[in-house]
Amino acid sequence: AQTVTQSQPEMSVQEAETVTLSCTYDTSESDYYLFWYKQPPSRQMILVIRQEAYKQQNATENRFSVNFQKAAKSFSLKISDSQLGDAAMYFCAYRRTNFGNEKLTFGTGTRLTIIP
Amino acid sequence: DTGVSQNPRHKITKRGQNVTFRCDPISEHNRLYWYRQTLGQGPEFLTYFQNEAQLEKSRLLSDRFSAERPKGSFSTLEIQRTEQGDSAMYLCASSLGLAGVEQYFGPGTRLTVT
Repeated sequence: AQTVTQSQPEMSVQEAETVTLSCTYDTSESDYYLFWYKQPPSRQMILVIRQEAYKQQNATENRFSVNFQKAAKSFSLKISDSQLGDAAMYFCAYRRTNFGNEKLTFGTGTRLTIIP
Repeated sequence: DTGVSQNPRHKITKRGQNVTFRCDPISEHNRLYWYRQTLGQGPEFLTYFQNEAQLEKSRLLSDRFSAERPKGSFSTLEIQRTEQGDSAMYLCASSLGLAGVEQYFGPGTRLTVT
């Protein structure tokens, strides 16, 4: 079974600084998707960024980028120029690519606090 | 798109009562998923539908849980004879099936069993 591990329950960063959230996963599959989801307090979960395992290039979405190390099964999220609105729980998630195996497997999350 | 909606947003019930939650996915999304999230944990998969067909159920979904999606549009999740351990946030998500990798989440229904 696939597992996703987030070893940092809480992180904090000064506004405008850069922070990196860690995620490792375990799978025997060669092709899969990885995601970072953001869950603000009392608000719904939204997708921040996604990575296809077959792509060597790291995904980037504005201030958000990932460091995908397939051999190490590592998938970290870097947030640059942190803003107060980035404060949230961040979940790393895994999904197989096969049809009929589309469920997401989540880590336990990292609570990110932005210090003004 | 109005997004995924869930009702009610909060539900408080006494142990032993039955509860039903509703999820309305984004229109034309043929995949619909239910997850459960307890305090301090990430969401855990419960079940999912392709149109009206329930394709997979987690072992977390005991016999007291049942989910339906009768016309391939909205879905309901019913919990019978609720227990305190059922207290959690129940999340619904939808996706465009084979053409859509991303799952869009609703705001969730928070269940408290007293």
